Amino acid sequence: AQKVTQAQTEISVVEKEDVTLDCVYETRDTTYYLFWYKQPPSGELVFLIRRNSFDEQNEISGRYSWNFQKSTSSFNFTITASQVVDSAVYFCALSEAPLRTGTASKLTFGTGTRLQVTL
Amino acid sequence: GAVVSQHPSRVICKSGTSVKIECRSLDFQATTMFWYRQFPKQSLMLMATSNEGSKATYEQGVEKDKFLINHASLTLSTLTVTSAHPEDSSFYICSARDSGRGVGKQFFGPGTRLTVL
Repeated sequence: AQKVTQAQTEISVVEKEDVTLDCVYETRDTTYYLFWYKQPPSGELVFLIRRNSFDEQNEISGRYSWNFQKSTSSFNFTITASQVVDSAVYFCALSEAPLRTGTASKLTFGTGTRLQVTL
Repeated sequence: GAVVSQHPSRVICKSGTSVKIECRSLDFQATTMFWYRQFPKQSLMLMATSNEGSKATYEQGVEKDKFLINHASLTLSTLTVTSAHPEDSSFYICSARDSGRGVGKQFFGPGTRLTVL
C-alpha cells in the first residue's frame, strides 16, 4: 500500500524567510510519481510539480525548489523568500505509474501542511 | 491548458435529498476521472475511480449505493450523493487526465462544497 507522510501540520513563518515542507513516502512500486499541490483558501488545487521516480534531479522553479532523495524516500519542498501569497495548505502526493499510456492512476495524498506567512 | 470544471461549486440541501455533481473535462477527453472527498482541514481521500463506459471502482469503505457515479461520456462524470445526510457535508473534488497524452499530469476541478442541513 502507498502512504505519504507530511509530519508538519502547520508552519508559521515571517515573510522573506525560507521554509521547507517535508514529505516522506512509502511504496512498493519501482516506478511511481510524486507531486506537490497547493490549496489556497479558495479550495482549488494548484499543481506545482510532478517527479518521476527515475529522475532524482533536484528542480528549481523561481522561489520553489524540490529535493528528491530516493534513498530516504523523501520529496521535500522549499520556498525561498516566502511571501504572504504563499499562505496555503500544501499537499504531497504519490501515484503508481499508469499501466498503459493514456490511463491514469489514483493519487494518495499526505495530510497536508498548512503554511502561514505573515508580515 | 487543460481545464476541469465542476458544477455546482456550492450546494446546500436538506437532509434526505439527492445531489448531483458534474465534472467536465473542457478541452480534452478523459477515460478515467477520480472523485475525492475532503473534510475540513483534512486531506483528500479518494472515493472512487470513474471509468468511461463501465462501472466505477470504489475505495474500501465508500458506499457505492450512496455515491452513484456515472461516466457517460469521455468528458463528463457525475457523482450523485443519494439521500444526503449532514455527515456527507464535505468538499468534493474531481480530477481527470488527458487520455490522448502519454503520462501527463492530472487536472483537478475547483471542487464542490456540499452542505447538508
